[in-house]
Amino acid sequence: DIQMTQSPSSLSASVGDRVTITCRASQNIISYLNWYQQKPGKAPNLLIYASANLQSGVPSRFSGSGSETDFTLTISSLQPEDFATYFCQQTYSTPYTFGQGTKLEIK
Amino acid sequence: QVQLQESGPGLVKPSGTLSLTCVVSGGSISTTNWWNWVRQTPGKGLEWIGEIYHSGTTNYNPSLKSRVTISVDKSKNQFSLKLSSVTAADTAVYYCARDSCSGGSCYSAYWGQGTLVTVSS
Repeated sequence: DIQMTQSPSSLSASVGDRVTITCRASQNIISYLNWYQQKPGKAPNLLIYASANLQSGVPSRFSGSGSETDFTLTISSLQPEDFATYFCQQTYSTPYTFGQGTKLEIK
Repeated sequence: QVQLQESGPGLVKPSGTLSLTCVVSGGSISTTNWWNWVRQTPGKGLEWIGEIYHSGTTNYNPSLKSRVTISVDKSKNQFSLKLSSVTAADTAVYYCARDSCSGGSCYSAYWGQGTLVTVSS
């Protein structure tokens, strides 16, 4: 299985901050990397697919980049509704695997 | 707008079989999409269980393959999950999701709301 490692596991930030979350794959996954946001009691919500493509309806303050083994999710200016947990997922090969999550909390 | 809704027992006895159904509305299950099951626990996070195409082709997580069956019922526009010989470790929130694939990249833009299944006697 391809292992996905996110960092940091948790992060405290303030409204208006620029935040970057990193995801590393245990092998080359080209650009088959998705990012999801999850709020308590809710299903994951797709933000970015194929590393850098913004899902329809997702605010432009979210962006993704990277290829092969190293990927980043950036939120350019944190809004109150962005405090949530973020997961990366590789879909290069089955079994698809997720990172362990990054919990973004209010400072 | 595609919507997915999981249903099934919230409590399953150890060694029993967990059975869930995902009803798809707002679109046909017979489209060029894969239909997934994913579960989530506090300890292991998000775990991909497997997927099915409307033709019946399946892919399973090898860690669960011996116990998992995913099937599709096109007449009812739904797909199902069966997980046998369950233990407390199978207690989780179970999600169904629709994968879209483009240029070789797949992603889940549509999810059910999730259903908690507890394995306990």
